[in-house]
Amino acid sequence: AQKITQTQPGMFVQEKEAVTLDCTYDTSDQSYGLFWYKQPSSGEMIFLIYQGSYDEQNATEGRYSLNFQKARKSANLVISASQLGDSAMYFCAMREGLMGGSNYKLTFGKGTLLTVNP
Amino acid sequence: GAVVSQHPSWVICKSGTSVKIECRSLDFQATTMFWYRQFPKQSLMLMATSNEGSKATYEQGVEKDKFLINHASLTLSTLTVTSAHPEDSSFYICSLRSSFSTDTQYFGPGTRLTVL
Repeated sequence: AQKITQTQPGMFVQEKEAVTLDCTYDTSDQSYGLFWYKQPSSGEMIFLIYQGSYDEQNATEGRYSLNFQKARKSANLVISASQLGDSAMYFCAMREGLMGGSNYKLTFGKGTLLTVNP
Repeated sequence: GAVVSQHPSWVICKSGTSVKIECRSLDFQATTMFWYRQFPKQSLMLMATSNEGSKATYEQGVEKDKFLINHASLTLSTLTVTSAHPEDSSFYICSLRSSFSTDTQYFGPGTRLTVL
């Protein structure tokens, strides 16, 4: 069963507008972590934002914020004031297993291709 | 600056040959290293995890005799694709974790392998 679901294969947004990229996850663990990564065409994975399952406040990093709704098991990424350079693939990921455990790993969603139009 | 380097950034080889990809931590000693594979327009799939002082743990469906992982030191991990075939052509990305108490992973820039 898919553990990370990104339902939007592609999204378009006008420059300077905000955009929300959806992510839902499935886990029975109490402790987990949620990540968003950006992958431009060059291929590198750029860390954007992190939310721990016990964090009560939604994470924010500059223009990125994570809308964490634990009961709904969703962790949507909000990008404010989109820029042309934001055009890239965006992956939601979840850490499974305990941080100090041998079964620690990241599982990635299928990604959303964001295109920012001028 | 970059925290993780990978070498080479791209490689083309003939079918049947072996290819070694290096992943280096530039800023810290990595207790855990991960290798991922990404086919075009697909997500990252974890291939294996290697922890300091122990052998790599491979994900289900990944042939450990084909994809040899050596956690040579706390700053170097190598992935060797043995007897490469065209279906092994992919983007290989490593990531590092600085300690067991952190969720932060640092990714390398990736290596694009093309097997002819």
